[in-house]
Amino acid sequence: GENVEQHPSTLSVQEGDSAVIKCTYSDSASNYFPWYKQELGKRPQLIIDIRSNVGEKKDQRIAVTLNKTAKHFSLHITETQPEDSAVYFCAASRSNTGKLIFGQGTTLQVKP
Amino acid sequence: GAGVSQTPSNKVTEKGKYVELRCDPISGHTALYWYRQSLGQGPEFLIYFQGTGAADDSGLPNDRFFAVRPEGSVSTLKIQRTERGDSAVYLCASSSGVGNTIYFGEGSWLTVV
Repeated sequence: GENVEQHPSTLSVQEGDSAVIKCTYSDSASNYFPWYKQELGKRPQLIIDIRSNVGEKKDQRIAVTLNKTAKHFSLHITETQPEDSAVYFCAASRSNTGKLIFGQGTTLQVKP
Repeated sequence: GAGVSQTPSNKVTEKGKYVELRCDPISGHTALYWYRQSLGQGPEFLIYFQGTGAADDSGLPNDRFFAVRPEGSVSTLKIQRTERGDSAVYLCASSSGVGNTIYFGEGSWLTVV
C-alpha cells in the first residue's frame, strides 16, 4: 500500500544551524508533497508544499526539494530559531484524490 | 468561520458508548477530511468528502466508524461501541477543492476509559 518514510525521528540542532528532514514515498503516482509543522497540542500547520512539476521551492528560511526519480523529498530549514522547535510531518498524495499519506514525524529541537 | 472548527475539543467516554465528533469546515470549502492521530504518530487518513458524498472512505478502520456530511458543510464522525484503542486525536480538515491546500482543525481529543 501507499507509504511515506520519514527520517530522522528526532533532530537536535544549535540555533543558527541548518536542519534537514528527508522523506521517501512508495506511490509513484504521487504528485503533491506538503510539509506540516505541529506544536504540542496544536493543529498541523502547512509550512510549504511542492508539486511534481518543480524540483525545488523556497520560502524565506524554508526550502523543499523533490527528486521524482528517487521518490524522495526533503525539507531544509536554514538559520534555525528556537521557535522552529516542533514536530514536522511530510506527506504525499495524488492531487486528484486529496488523500494525504503522512510520514511518522520528526521532532526538531533548536537549542538557544 | 476563519478556520476549521471542531467540537468537542475533549471527550472522555466509557468503553462501549457511542460518540459523535463534529467538524465545521472553512466557509466555502467543498472538500472535507477526517484523520486520526495517535500519540507520537502522523495523522492517519480515515475518510474524505467532496460535497455531500464520501469520495473515499478506505481509511475507516471498521464498521463502528461512520461519517456524514448531509448538507455539504458540517460533518459528523460517529463511533459506535467505542473501544480503548479508539483513543486518539481526531483531526478534521478542509480544502477549497480536491488537490488544493488542506487546512486542519485543532482536533477532538477522544479518551475511551
